[in-house]
Amino acid sequence: SQKIEQNSEALNIQEGKTATLTCNYTNYSPAYLQWYRQDPGRGPVFLLLIRENEKEKRKERLKVTFDTTLKQSLFHITASQPADSATYLCALEGNAGNMLTFGGGTRLMVKP
Amino acid sequence: NAGVTQTPKFQVLKTGQSMTLQCAQDMNHNSMYWYRQDPGMGLRLIYYSASEGTTDKGEVPNGYNVSRLNKREFSLRLESAAPSQTSVYFCASSPRLGAETQYFGPGTRLLVL
Repeated sequence: SQKIEQNSEALNIQEGKTATLTCNYTNYSPAYLQWYRQDPGRGPVFLLLIRENEKEKRKERLKVTFDTTLKQSLFHITASQPADSATYLCALEGNAGNMLTFGGGTRLMVKP
Repeated sequence: NAGVTQTPKFQVLKTGQSMTLQCAQDMNHNSMYWYRQDPGMGLRLIYYSASEGTTDKGEVPNGYNVSRLNKREFSLRLESAAPSQTSVYFCASSPRLGAETQYFGPGTRLLVL
């Protein structure tokens, strides 16, 4: 069956360190993968999109990798700040009808 | 631009009551979506509308109906609410179906007693 897995346990890191979040998927062949940020009580906000033919994409302190062989995306936040504390969702194009399918999200806590 | 707006922000219903969740977008997007978010389950697609005049079922449509009133508005109706429909509901829009970025509203928190 199709599955998108993100670590359901919160990731706690110290300010200034690099946070790395993982998104694994099975039985999908997505043309692209997206990462969203969600703060408590708010809707998700789009951060980055990476296509299947791209290995890596960067935006300011954010970096995303996409390995279609491993069926995995890594999301990195360098020089993390307490303001980066949020839940991060990965989403990928499902196999049916171009719909986005979301992972359960990983909560990141950056401590000062 | 307000983006995607949703009303109400919070609602409590008794089992069997009905209600309509409202969503509007001012970005001239063609496609709109309704999701529910439950702890540990991620966002699950209830219904979507590829363009004005069309609606289709998503992953979890049972117990819901939708109306694409015009290009701006997409409403979600619960005809007979059940406790299993307690959730946070998000509306989203995108320029076209399968477009790469979806824009989300702030959500409606629904509690069914």
